[in-house]
Amino acid sequence: DSGVTQTPKHLITATGQRVTLRCSPRSGDLSVYWYQQSLDQGLQFLIQYYNGEERAKGNILERFSAQQFPDLHSELNLSSLELGDSALYFCASSPWTNDNEQFFGPGTRLTVL
Amino acid sequence: AQSVTQPDIHITVSEGASLELRCNYSYGATPYLFWYVQSPGQGLQLLLKYFSGDTLVQGIKGFEAEFKRSQSSFNLRKPSVHWSDAAEYFCAVDVQRTYKYIFGTGTRLKVLA
Repeated sequence: DSGVTQTPKHLITATGQRVTLRCSPRSGDLSVYWYQQSLDQGLQFLIQYYNGEERAKGNILERFSAQQFPDLHSELNLSSLELGDSALYFCASSPWTNDNEQFFGPGTRLTVL
Repeated sequence: AQSVTQPDIHITVSEGASLELRCNYSYGATPYLFWYVQSPGQGLQLLLKYFSGDTLVQGIKGFEAEFKRSQSSFNLRKPSVHWSDAAEYFCAVDVQRTYKYIFGTGTRLKVLA
C-alpha cells in the first residue's frame, strides 16, 4: 500500500459525459501527479500540482482539467468524454525533495461506452 | 525529444532462471532513472532508482539495475526469477529533474513453472 488513495476504483459512463476522479496523496506529500495508461499510448504524464499550484503539464487534453485543494487532495475532471478516453488513470504523490520518488495510487479504471 | 525505449514487449523465462530487462533512454545528460513494476490490476510499485553515485543499484525483491552512461542504458536484472515476479515492468526517466516522468512502453514478464 503506497498510502495514495484514489476513488472511485471503476467508473463506467457514456460518451459526452463528464466525470471527476479523486486522489488523496500520502500524508505530508505536497505534490500530486496524474497519469493516463491506455493500450494505445502507454503510460503518459498528464499534469502535476504542488501545494495547490500547477507545476507541469504533459499530454493533457483541453477537455481535461485538474486542481489541488487546500487539504492537498486533487481532482481530475474529464469532460465531453470520448471512447478513446477509456483508460486507467493513476495519481501519484511525492514530498518534493531531492528524492524524486513518486508513490502511485491503485488507479481509477474509466470505461466510456 | 526525450524518449525511453524498452525493446522487449514480452519476455518469458523459466522459474529460477536469470532475467534481464532492457531500458535505453535518449537524453544528453544523466537523468534520474527508475524501474517500476505493475502487477495485474494493481498500481505501480517502485523497484529501484538511480540518481548518482554507484552505477549498480540494489532494489526490492532481489532486483538490481546497472546504469551505463556510454550506452544510455539502465537494465534491470534478477539472478533467479520467482513465479510471483510475473508482471509488467516499466522503466521511467525524469530527464530534466522536473518530477515529470517519461515511461517506457513496458515489458510484460511471464514466468514458466
